[in-house]
Amino acid sequence: DAGVIQSPRHEVTEMGQEVTLRCKPISGHDYLFWYRQTMMRGLELLIYFNNNVPIDDSGMPEDRFSAKMPNASFSTLKIQPSEPRDSAVYFCASSETGTGETGELFFGEGSRLTVL
Amino acid sequence: AQTVTQSQPEMSVQEAETVTLSCTYDTSESDYYLFWYKQPPSRQMILVIRQEAYKQQNATENRFSVNFQKAAKSFSLKISDSQLGDAAMYFCAYRSGSGGGTSYGKLTFGQGTILTVHP
Repeated sequence: DAGVIQSPRHEVTEMGQEVTLRCKPISGHDYLFWYRQTMMRGLELLIYFNNNVPIDDSGMPEDRFSAKMPNASFSTLKIQPSEPRDSAVYFCASSETGTGETGELFFGEGSRLTVL
Repeated sequence: AQTVTQSQPEMSVQEAETVTLSCTYDTSESDYYLFWYKQPPSRQMILVIRQEAYKQQNATENRFSVNFQKAAKSFSLKISDSQLGDAAMYFCAYRSGSGGGTSYGKLTFGQGTILTVHP
């Protein structure tokens, strides 16, 4: 399997612009997570989905952030409008339940966002 | 809510020596998983080792082993015969098991420990 695929790897944008981060989970995984990593706050869970349904979005910092999972193989995290304090590495991760369950989350390589 | 605490922001070890990274957690659940993830400068999150709470035997993976003390809610990672490639940030993480209700699936991380390996 190709693993969790995120795009873009790097994004540099100006304050006020819309940013869309994309994620393709591992095929067959039914959980998808979006995390944000910064030096100050470490790894924060933003939102996670089970079978494409958002389960917990309490970590989404503001209404400027939104996430969707229109199908089992694709998710987006959108920031509109972006601000310099949104600069961080955003990770997508997926996992499976059922007979293949190990509890492990498989992470993508992350998207480094810089907002100028 | 579950919390994970790593009290050592930084640790260092000489190559070929042994080092132990500490982790404690707080939970009222009985069914859960614990993990150690490694994040090298490439920033990729790599699973090092996992432990199911119902298993009393400590997990081992080659040079990596854990000391799981369920009653004390402690989950330390021991790295034996340290290598230069072990240098990274290490995260301890907790995940509720299938009996965890609405918190099932959520992975909570500690603050991380930066490990430096000296040649």
